[in-house]
Amino acid sequence: DTGVSQDPRHKITKRGQNVTFRCDPISEHNRLYWYRQTLGQGPEFLTYFQNEAQLEKSRLLSDRFSAERPKGSFSTLEIQRTEQGDSAMYLCASSLEGRYNEQFFGPGTRLTVL
Amino acid sequence: GESVGLHLPTLSVQEGDNSIINCAYSNSASDYFIWYKQESGKGPQFIIDIRSNMDKRQGQRVTVLLNKTVKHLSLQIAATQPGDSAVYFCAENGGTGRRALTFGSGTRLQVQP
Repeated sequence: DTGVSQDPRHKITKRGQNVTFRCDPISEHNRLYWYRQTLGQGPEFLTYFQNEAQLEKSRLLSDRFSAERPKGSFSTLEIQRTEQGDSAMYLCASSLEGRYNEQFFGPGTRLTVL
Repeated sequence: GESVGLHLPTLSVQEGDNSIINCAYSNSASDYFIWYKQESGKGPQFIIDIRSNMDKRQGQRVTVLLNKTVKHLSLQIAATQPGDSAVYFCAENGGTGRRALTFGSGTRLQVQP
């Protein structure tokens, strides 16, 4: 399977703990995006990278959130001092440059903060 | 703020019928409008997009219509099949230079056999 992969698929944590998610995009895609999705809602944009450069961040990305893509391949999303309101599905997507409308999404990481 | 919304949360159709899913948008600066399909337990999947200077675009069994006068977007699915059952989201890119997509809240399509 050469699609976008995310790890872990599920994460349960206690409030106040830090969590880190990983995304591996499609290998030839230089753009990588993070979204958050809550039940019954569409995905909400968090941030995106072109290669290793983080080019845009949403207001939703508070200072407790940080994303990296150090070598322009996989990316990590870290949430520090998790809150119950952080419970959501975190989706990663990737696209070819020039085809940003056609984003290929991974299966997501479901985060539950107790 | 700018938003993308959907008229109907759930649409139920008979197998073989045509389906029409509607979406209203408010950001007239968007230059692309896109439809995504999301099956249970999976990430969204690109279906079709349309540029703001077009009013119709056809794909395989799907047609997207754009009415900029009333800021309305629709997705037509011909001969709906059980595999089409999913949540459908419209999305827009917010204007030239933006790469982030703004998604609506989704319509669930249920195909009855």
